[in-house]
Amino acid sequence: SYELTQPLSVSVALGQTARITCGGHNIGSKNVHWYQQKPGQAPVVVLYRDTNRPSGIPERFSGSNSGNTATLTISRAQAGDEADYYCQVWDSYVVIFGGGTKLTVL
Amino acid sequence: EVLLVQSGAEVKKPGEALKISCKGSGYSFTTYWTHWVRQMPGKGLEWMGSIFPSDSDTRYSPAFQGHVTISADKSISTAYVQWSSLKASDTAMYYCARKLGVHDSFDMWGQGTMVTVTS
Repeated sequence: SYELTQPLSVSVALGQTARITCGGHNIGSKNVHWYQQKPGQAPVVVLYRDTNRPSGIPERFSGSNSGNTATLTISRAQAGDEADYYCQVWDSYVVIFGGGTKLTVL
Repeated sequence: EVLLVQSGAEVKKPGEALKISCKGSGYSFTTYWTHWVRQMPGKGLEWMGSIFPSDSDTRYSPAFQGHVTISADKSISTAYVQWSSLKASDTAMYYCARKLGVHDSFDMWGQGTMVTVTS
């Protein structure tokens, strides 16, 4: 079955750029979606289909997807960006989530 | 306003049955797939399955097939997930979420239903 691999944690200094990766076999051929989940809250989509931001999501959130790695980039990181982030794809009639990455803003 | 509103928290004993719900409003409920996602305490998101309320077409994750039943009543824009015999390992937060098609994201989530199974 298809698997998505994310780092358990990423740390970033306030105002700097955070990059969260999502690895999967030939993931560049798939549509990748990214979700942010803050403690005690439901997930919220921050990027869909690799690079698209829903309304209300800051331009600081961007994405790329090529080869075996998709990346969520958060520029000018703020304290409010501290959360768990999950990538997600669809493969063979199954929805697959990455294991999640805890972003810490220092 | 698009909303998915889930039923309240449940505390059950092992072996008991349970059915939790997710009511959609503010959109055409039969146009979107409604999915269920489990999140065990301190863990990540796990897809359980989905239903297309228009025709009740249902899909399950292999990990959940046979352990839960997903259903919907389109007349009241509500989806359900049910267990016939709960286990302690079913203790988790359960989210419903809507998705237009296979290549689309979950663009709206319910607030979650916490299910606690304890003797």
